[in-house]
Amino acid sequence: DSGVTQTPKHLITATGQRVTLRCSPRSGDLSVYWYQQSLDQGLQFLIQYYNGEERAKGNILERFSAQQFPDLHSELNLSSLELGDSALYFCASSVSWTSGIGGPFTDTQYFGPGTRLTVL
Amino acid sequence: SQQGEEDPQALSIQEGENATMNCSYKTSINNLQWYRQNSGRGLVHLILIRSNEREKHSGRLRVTLDTSKKSSSLLITASRAADTASYFCATVIGSGNTGKLIFGQGTTLQVKP
Repeated sequence: DSGVTQTPKHLITATGQRVTLRCSPRSGDLSVYWYQQSLDQGLQFLIQYYNGEERAKGNILERFSAQQFPDLHSELNLSSLELGDSALYFCASSVSWTSGIGGPFTDTQYFGPGTRLTVL
Repeated sequence: SQQGEEDPQALSIQEGENATMNCSYKTSINNLQWYRQNSGRGLVHLILIRSNEREKHSGRLRVTLDTSKKSSSLLITASRAADTASYFCATVIGSGNTGKLIFGQGTTLQVKP
């Protein structure tokens, strides 16, 4: 058990709908990352939040958005869903720190069990 | 786009044998991490090696890093059936220290009892 929790485990919905995936990081971790795993694209980084602020963006579609709340949990919102959005969505968290000369510097990322999204 | 490429894509061995997986990457890195994924499940962190390290051990795992060749290898010694999984290398690229992981396509390992 990594200490990262994700809900729900499975989600089945229809095209055009909107869903919200939730992630609770390990206690004390300030950084949260979202990844998408699909058969054709593999594991792709979507977005990172650090202590409530967006830190990095990857191959995230405009239909997708995320946020990190003051209690550090994060939500990934997927809207206008398409068949191709069916995938495993992982959240990860890590300890991050700043050194005063840059950062946040990050270390091992711990992954949650994932949410399997099926769009019909 | 993928930063890392694993080789081989698939590996099948007998229990007790060693398994070696290789990973090549394209740009300079801060660190390289190896993860294991059992079928359809979450990723389990195995080991992290920093760019200034050349070798690291953890139990039956040995990871090497050659930054001049931009490559890393993961050796699993005395493999067990429970090691059957997909193994991914992931790099944290040089600039920005965002921690964004760039994953390879993975090596699927099957260990036959």
